[in-house]
Amino acid sequence: GQQLNQSPQSMFIQEGEDVSMNCTSSSIFNTWLWYKQEPGEGPVLLIALYKAGELTSNGRLTAQFGITRKDSFLNISASIPSDVGIYFCAGQLTNFGNEKLTFGTGTRLTIIP
Amino acid sequence: DVKVTQSSRYLVKRTGEKVFLECVQDMDHENMFWYRQDPGLGLRLIYFSYDVKMKEKGDIPEGYSVSREKKERFSLILESASTNQTSMYLCASSFGLKETQYFGPGTRLLVL
Repeated sequence: GQQLNQSPQSMFIQEGEDVSMNCTSSSIFNTWLWYKQEPGEGPVLLIALYKAGELTSNGRLTAQFGITRKDSFLNISASIPSDVGIYFCAGQLTNFGNEKLTFGTGTRLTIIP
Repeated sequence: DVKVTQSSRYLVKRTGEKVFLECVQDMDHENMFWYRQDPGLGLRLIYFSYDVKMKEKGDIPEGYSVSREKKERFSLILESASTNQTSMYLCASSFGLKETQYFGPGTRLLVL
């Protein structure tokens, strides 16, 4: 099955720094999702994007749906310790019969105090 | 709040054993999913179900089967566990296939 290329694989940053990560695909999607997984838990949805070019914020998080529909970006501003976790992008085509989510490989974020 | 629960957080089994992983959701969701999560590979879909007694293969169904006898419960079965099935298994549910998927906490399975 298809996988999305997500980068970077891991990040070590200091508290207060901004974070950027992205996801690219060889095929188009019409929905992009960003999930966060904390240690010992399942992924939780952070932001959903439904339109090419869309820019959506959720507190300190901002995500963008790439204009080509083949990529998406997530930014976290002024990181705090509770931002630690693995961030996954996911793409979905939402045509009848093909609504499965395709997940990225994840970006592991570590905050250095 | 949506709640997706999985029967075990940690499980240790021996090669060749039959393994059942149970998932229950309490929001009357139509769709349920089983993924496995491995480092560097993200989440990969094993099977999903869009109705009671209905199932569809995901991207990596080999070595697994599923059962959905009741709407709220979706079971993943490893007929004969192998060491390469050591992984984190995540269950999810959603109201419609286009709707948000809600995940359970995961079951970390070790096959010796």
